[in-house]
Amino acid sequence: DAGVTQSPTHLIKTRGQQVTLRCSPKSGHDTVSWYQQALGQGPQFIFQYYEEEERQRGNFPDRFSGHQFPNYSSELNVNALLLGDSALYLCASSLSPRGVWQYFGPGTRLTVL
Amino acid sequence: GQQLNQSPQSMFIQEGEDVSMNCTSSSIFNTWLWYKQDPGEGPVLLIALYKAGELTSNGRLTAQFGITRKDSFLNISASIPSDVGIYFCAGPQDVYGGATNKLIFGTGTLLAVQP
Repeated sequence: DAGVTQSPTHLIKTRGQQVTLRCSPKSGHDTVSWYQQALGQGPQFIFQYYEEEERQRGNFPDRFSGHQFPNYSSELNVNALLLGDSALYLCASSLSPRGVWQYFGPGTRLTVL
Repeated sequence: GQQLNQSPQSMFIQEGEDVSMNCTSSSIFNTWLWYKQDPGEGPVLLIALYKAGELTSNGRLTAQFGITRKDSFLNISASIPSDVGIYFCAGPQDVYGGATNKLIFGTGTLLAVQP
């Protein structure tokens, strides 16, 4: 049983560019949440997707957007990249939007130069 | 807003020693979660607590849900080198209307174990 998978593993972009990160949830999970983890800090919630809609959102600007596909996989898009967007981006999946048991993927390390 | 503070910030111990760390909040949480994160990896869920006063074990790990619902504790007995990592507490943010799985994470405790 595959766990949560994310791609790519690492990514280097320059300021102003756009990036798309991808996530496949654990088998049987229909809810995907995205978190940003800056160096030396705990993960911070970006948003959650369920039934192909954004259900909850953290304190992140509109430059951060997402999508969920019918097979429950998800994408995180960040536009107009800033240096401060450099972080580990984590995807987590759960059995439902209220499921507190969240399983995290290995993350995508984004570096913005 | 809800925030979680963990202490200590870091611990450097010898293999075989017991470890204690805690997590405190200024507001009530109805669920406490403990995660471990290895370098370059995502957090892995270790223990979940659902009731005030609850004590739950997972192998050498034991966690407790504080009576006030504003704190939680994690103990690791007889530490081994693979216990090295960052330990995070987390809880679902309280929102009007009920349950949510938007997790608030603590500041983390870095554990280093010397063989």
